[in-house]
Amino acid sequence: GEDVEQSLFLSVREGDSSVINCTYTDSSSTYLYWYKQEPGAGLQLLTYIFSNMDMKQDQRLTVLLNKKDKHLSLRIADTQTGDSAIYFCAENGSGNTGKLIFGQGTTLQVKP
Amino acid sequence: EAGVAQSPRYKIIEKRQSVAFWCNPISGHATLYWYQQILGQGPKLLIQFQNNGVVDDSQLPKDRFSAERLKGVDSTLKIQPAKLEDSAVYLCASRTSGVRETQYFGPGTRLLVL
Repeated sequence: GEDVEQSLFLSVREGDSSVINCTYTDSSSTYLYWYKQEPGAGLQLLTYIFSNMDMKQDQRLTVLLNKKDKHLSLRIADTQTGDSAIYFCAENGSGNTGKLIFGQGTTLQVKP
Repeated sequence: EAGVAQSPRYKIIEKRQSVAFWCNPISGHATLYWYQQILGQGPKLLIQFQNNGVVDDSQLPKDRFSAERLKGVDSTLKIQPAKLEDSAVYLCASRTSGVRETQYFGPGTRLLVL
């Protein structure tokens, strides 16, 4: 089946690194995504990783993928108060429809 | 480039009433998705269109929900009659063809059923 799990809450101090973790079940997923949702807003794509990669870096964001353990993480370096939001992990599952299966979201709280 | 547009942004209705949501995808995007996001959960797919055809509606509660994309551009999602558990944010997303292409989401319509 298709299922994505995330921890619900993370609190960090401004300037620290944040690491948000995610596990998924569908090994046939070809892409894995991280989306950000600010209060009252839609979903903003942050980054994605192809399943044959184990790391992708994009400015302050680093994505690590352990395909054997079906574990995905998002590291945000030098976390700022503007990074406070809900972060969703998603996989595109089996088939080629492009539909996304989302985790329940991790609320990141950044304290000044 | 304009993003995905949705209206209304907010809607409050009483149970058993009807409601409709509208989505205008990014120009040229053939694939359109409707997701339901209940408070505290991640979005869940309701229905997916490719142009004006339905690709996946396996999670759509068809006894009360309906959706259409008649000309392969705009789409409407209707709930009739609404139940309390339909209170959620309804997100529309679109993308061009091809699995490698990413989805772009609209701001959502927040529905409260009293």
